[in-house]
Amino acid sequence: RKEVEQDPGPFNVPEGATVAFNCTYSNSASQSFFWYRQDCRKEPKLLMSVYSSGNEDGRFTAQLNRASQYISLLIRDSKLSDSATYLCVVNRKPGAGSYQLTFGKGTKLSVIP
Amino acid sequence: DGGITQSPKYLFRKEGQNVTLSCEQNLNHDAMYWYRQDPGQGLRLIYYSQIVNDFQKGDIAEGYSVSREKKESFPLTVTSAQKNPTAFYLCASSASEKGNQPQHFGDGTRLSIL
Repeated sequence: RKEVEQDPGPFNVPEGATVAFNCTYSNSASQSFFWYRQDCRKEPKLLMSVYSSGNEDGRFTAQLNRASQYISLLIRDSKLSDSATYLCVVNRKPGAGSYQLTFGKGTKLSVIP
Repeated sequence: DGGITQSPKYLFRKEGQNVTLSCEQNLNHDAMYWYRQDPGQGLRLIYYSQIVNDFQKGDIAEGYSVSREKKESFPLTVTSAQKNPTAFYLCASSASEKGNQPQHFGDGTRLSIL
């Protein structure tokens, strides 16, 4: 199982639609989880952290299921400006080293007028 | 304005040449990181530093070197030993070295071979 796995997409959805992305991770000891967005040829930007009880930020809702080791991101009322690649990020501890962040390859979203 | 500055935005390397990518942050963050991103791929960790004068290899350190002489600065040298250097290089910093805080990125350097 890959450390962080995401459906690469692309997800093509009409404006106003609700879209959900899932991400699975392999290390049960992971403690911190994030969603980033990356626009074409730009740097990743933090979208939101993911908390155990689930959390919401406007149209975005993140959920964590520790038992099944997956994280989800729900986007409601999609806007054209939501078009981007969404990266699932999980921390891990490689051996004796300190915790590091592992980035998924991302899920590409295209919101269509 | 607090942030991370990478330079140059574009860089071209000749065969056998070493090149250095700059990364400066004024966020007062302890931890800094270098990643490489190839088209359609995820970010891969090259080197990281949790404190001044200390750094560790990431997953793909071969052909790269770094230094951390100042808290604000974490330059990356791509040496001639790196045979496939063409990629998008991203520098990041984090308030905590414990890996439980998000990382914030500079806007990257695109490196190509001439």
